Formats: sequence, structure tokens, C-alpha cells
Amino acid sequence: DGGITQSPKYLFRKEGQNVTLSCEQNLNHDAMYWYRQDPGQGLRLIYYSQIVNDFQKGDIAEGYSVSREKKESFPLTVTSAQKNPTAFYLCASNRDRNYGYTFGSGTRLTVV
Amino acid sequence: GENVEQHPSTLSVQEGDSAVIKCTYSDSASNYFPWYKQELGKRPQLIIDIRSNVGEKKDQRIAVTLNKTAKHFSLHITETQPEDSAVYFCAARGMEGSQGNLIFGKGTKLSVKP
Repeated sequence: DGGITQSPKYLFRKEGQNVTLSCEQNLNHDAMYWYRQDPGQGLRLIYYSQIVNDFQKGDIAEGYSVSREKKESFPLTVTSAQKNPTAFYLCASNRDRNYGYTFGSGTRLTVV
Repeated sequence: GENVEQHPSTLSVQEGDSAVIKCTYSDSASNYFPWYKQELGKRPQLIIDIRSNVGEKKDQRIAVTLNKTAKHFSLHITETQPEDSAVYFCAARGMEGSQGNLIFGKGTKLSVKP
């Protein structure tokens, strides 16, 4: 289903808890991205990685962390420092800068 | 860095009418402009894209136009159908300060009434 898989589909976080969102792709894409989507806000870039073992902060990186140990995987950790984490999180990848992104199906995170 | 403005934020049309969504961008070096459709609760999907060396591109009922001088591009949907109802996002590949990443507009919620 599109070659990029996010899990879980729904996630609930308690106050002060860290949670990790999974993103795996089998498209052999070099670049991977994490976006946060809030109603009326569009897509805001959290972190991106152009190559294995390297990643860069996006526009709203505070309270989040990532790793890129394998080409196929780009997990996102939402830390307790992120004060308003309730949102829809989308992972994306692309072959190179000449192409658009392929998105995963998203993870909806809710603070309880 | 790149900034993308998208209008309108909501659009309601009658089935069979045309719909037009407009975006402006700030980085004159931007060279790639995709459009995504996102149905409720689902992933955004690429529906059409255009590069800076082309002024217009069509794919069946959808078309995109690009005016590099004015730095704006538009999505045109003809003969709209209820299944066209979704949120549409434009994007531009920013070059200055954006590391070549896509910068997205805030989206247009299109409603097609039967």
C-alpha cells in the first residue's frame, strides 16, 4: 500500500511520557520526512533526513527527536518536552529533489 | 525561505461546475510545484505536478498552470464530481533556506454538492 508504512494508526500518550512513531519504507528512497498536521495549519515539517545517519531539524523540531540508522526506517519520538503533541503525524519519502513525496497513512496521536 | 500562500481555504461548488485553487510562492528559484489531494483521515496523494520549464499541464479533468513572472500557480478541476470532495494542498520546492524541501500551503477544503 504505497510502500511506506506508519504504525500505529492511533496512539495515546499520557502526560510526561515519551512515545515513538514508526515509519518504514521499501521504496529505496534516500530522503525521509516527518510532518505534523493540525486543522487549518497545513503540513509543518518536524525533521527530515536526506541520507542514512544524517538528519536535520525542520520548522517545529522542539520536543521531537529522530534517528536514521537504516535507509528504510525513520522513527519519530515525541518527548515529554512537546507540550501540545495531539495531532496527525505523517511520514513521507522521495527518491530525490526532482520528485514529489510519497506519504504514509499517518499516526493520530492523542494526549490522555 | 520559501513561503506558500493558498486560497481559498474553503470552496463549495455544484456538481459539474469547475473549481479553481490558487497558490503564490515567494522564492523565485523554486522549480517544482506538486498538488496533493487528501481525503478525510487518509494520506495526501499526489494528483498532478508541474516544473518551472512548463506553463501548463493537464491530466483528464485536472490541470495546473504556472506563471513564473507573477510567482503563482493554480489547480483547475473541471466537471467536478462528489468524489472530488477533499482537502487539496499545493506545494513548492524551496531553494533558498529550505534545503530543497517542499513547502506546503495550508490547504483548501473542496466540497462538491450533488
